[in-house]
Amino acid sequence: GAGVSQSPSNKVTEKGKDVELRCDPISGHTALYWYRQSLGQGLEFLIYFQGNSAPDKSGLPSDRFSAERTGGSVSTLTIQRTQQEDSAVYLCASSWGGNTEAFFGQGTRLTVV
Amino acid sequence: GDSVTQMEGPVTLSEEAFLTINCTYTATGYPSLFWYVQYPGEGLQLLLKATKADDKGSNKGFEATYRKETTSFHLEKGSVQVSDSAVYFCALDSGNTGKLIFGQGTTLQVKP
Repeated sequence: GAGVSQSPSNKVTEKGKDVELRCDPISGHTALYWYRQSLGQGLEFLIYFQGNSAPDKSGLPSDRFSAERTGGSVSTLTIQRTQQEDSAVYLCASSWGGNTEAFFGQGTRLTVV
Repeated sequence: GDSVTQMEGPVTLSEEAFLTINCTYTATGYPSLFWYVQYPGEGLQLLLKATKADDKGSNKGFEATYRKETTSFHLEKGSVQVSDSAVYFCALDSGNTGKLIFGQGTTLQVKP
């Protein structure tokens, strides 16, 4: 596709359930980033993949959060045992890496009830 | 750690007014600085950037100058339009990895 695609666009889940959020980056982009946008915390970095290097997981808020990137393309962010404080918009971005422009998807709005 | 602080919003202006949104940062080394914009119903998009001290980024009539001495990157536009209504985010990348640290965002509303 022409841009970064995220799915689903909206997700409502019950507290304690696991959720998976998907990101399809721009074809060929080597770097992929996940961010979280919430009312109380603004835009927070979660995790970063660059090529075949080990991901930078320094922003993941707890061990309930994990992400993988298969074949250097699609990425999945998994939140286990969701809590109400996980409610936020989860944004994915991709780029050629380094200082190049990052292109963002529209985000997945997660609501935990 | 690295951080970005933006002026709180919302900012409400009349069309053709002058805009300034303040942004200051704390970082080790020499970060690259960015302004991103999020229009209603759309994703974040890069507005402008500057990679070293005294650089000026510009786009769509917006400008921001990288001021190392005051650790600032204020966004300015001489004459705003209704179509500029959006949320503006200041951000930095201190490691040249593309990993961004964002400010809290400033909502701009321009009235006709």
